[in-house]
Amino acid sequence: AQSVTQLDSQVPVFEEAPVELRCNYSSSVSVYLFWYVQYPNQGLQLLLKYLSGSTLVESINGFEAEFNKSQTSFHLRKPSVHISDTAEYFCAVSRTSGTYKYIFGTGTRLKVLA
Amino acid sequence: NAGVTQTPKFQVLKTGQSMTLQCAQDMNHNSMYWYRQDPGMGLRLIYYSASEGTTDKGEVPNGYNVSRLNKREFSLRLESAAPSQTSVYFCASNGRESSPLHFGNGTRLTVT
Repeated sequence: AQSVTQLDSQVPVFEEAPVELRCNYSSSVSVYLFWYVQYPNQGLQLLLKYLSGSTLVESINGFEAEFNKSQTSFHLRKPSVHISDTAEYFCAVSRTSGTYKYIFGTGTRLKVLA
Repeated sequence: NAGVTQTPKFQVLKTGQSMTLQCAQDMNHNSMYWYRQDPGMGLRLIYYSASEGTTDKGEVPNGYNVSRLNKREFSLRLESAAPSQTSVYFCASNGRESSPLHFGNGTRLTVT
């Protein structure tokens, strides 16, 4: 079975400060890892994904996440946040083979303060 | 580029009423999913359809039924709505089991 834990339900941070949103997962099989972002009154959008290869993946808007297999983590970071980054962020895992099972974390609400 | 389209956007039902949430995608995706989103609980899978003609239960299927009408459309039916089904419902699709999900904008359902 797989599970995803996002320890922080809310993270307030001042504009231009760095931020880290934590994600830990548990799985007995190989998984792919994803971060999704949800802006108010919208569906989720893919922010970045780790499928294989380099453990550091980046998004087009300055976020990055690092896959750490030994610590079973996939934390999301941004060195300098903007007001427009205010949103809810979801970590998710998906099995690499076999019957589909996408599992989402409970989400972290990032609030960027002016 | 419509992507995933859900209707309606909002709905209020009385306990015991029935309704169908509609979802259509124009990306030729094989797999489609229905999730519900509740505060503090993230997204929970209700049902999914790995391909046209197949459907499977997710984590929270009780009280719901689904129909994969064709490759484009996947509907979710509440036969007898209950207040516990008050939630935001999202439809999603992807081309392969491991590929990222594309989401609709959701249906906000209130059951009184």
